[in-house]
Amino acid sequence: SQQGEEDPQALSIQEGENATMNCSYKTSINNLQWYRQNSGRGLVHLILIRSNEREKHSGRLRVTLDTSKKSSSLLITASRAADTASYFCATANQAGTALIFGKGTTLSVSS
Amino acid sequence: ETGVTQSPTHLIKTRGQQVTLRCSSQSGHNTVSWYQQALGQGPQFIFQYYREEENGRGNFPPRFSGLQFPNYSSELNVNALELDDSALYLCASSLSASGRLYNEQFFGPGTRLTVL
Repeated sequence: SQQGEEDPQALSIQEGENATMNCSYKTSINNLQWYRQNSGRGLVHLILIRSNEREKHSGRLRVTLDTSKKSSSLLITASRAADTASYFCATANQAGTALIFGKGTTLSVSS
Repeated sequence: ETGVTQSPTHLIKTRGQQVTLRCSSQSGHNTVSWYQQALGQGPQFIFQYYREEENGRGNFPPRFSGLQFPNYSSELNVNALELDDSALYLCASSLSASGRLYNEQFFGPGTRLTVL
């Protein structure tokens, strides 16, 4: 069964706009990670946020974590065409030995 | 770009054949995981190797097997290929304590397997 579920499934915006993606999960976590995947290639790690953190920034990326609601959000500010990709959240399984991914959010940024 | 490499990039096999996919972990990483990603889906965990031993397995049949070598490179073997095995296969390496994923995983570019 899937641990993380991203919302929305697809998002289309114009360059310069902000993009927000949400992730919900089911069980308690040690950390939550966000990955980007360009057109069927490997996944690129974006941010890891630990369960005792509420917000984390990396360049144009901002991730929040609400453990009481079992949810996280990824905000990309001032989006660019190069941000076009699929974005996945992932959490570890109960044993801590595997990442469980949702189906992802497909982001399209048009110029 | 990460230091994780995979070979081959693409592969075409026929049903019933066997395939071996290879992964070279990022330097210093002691844990490697393999994932299967079908089109339009998120990656699904196959198994993890930690210090050359299988340390966790997802919901995949025994015909999916693996190896991790002393230099932390890894292989994924799939026997008796089925049409549904067509997917992108990703390996990911990380540095972990006891194989638990408390840090980020670094993914390779993947091997696209097509089974005809």
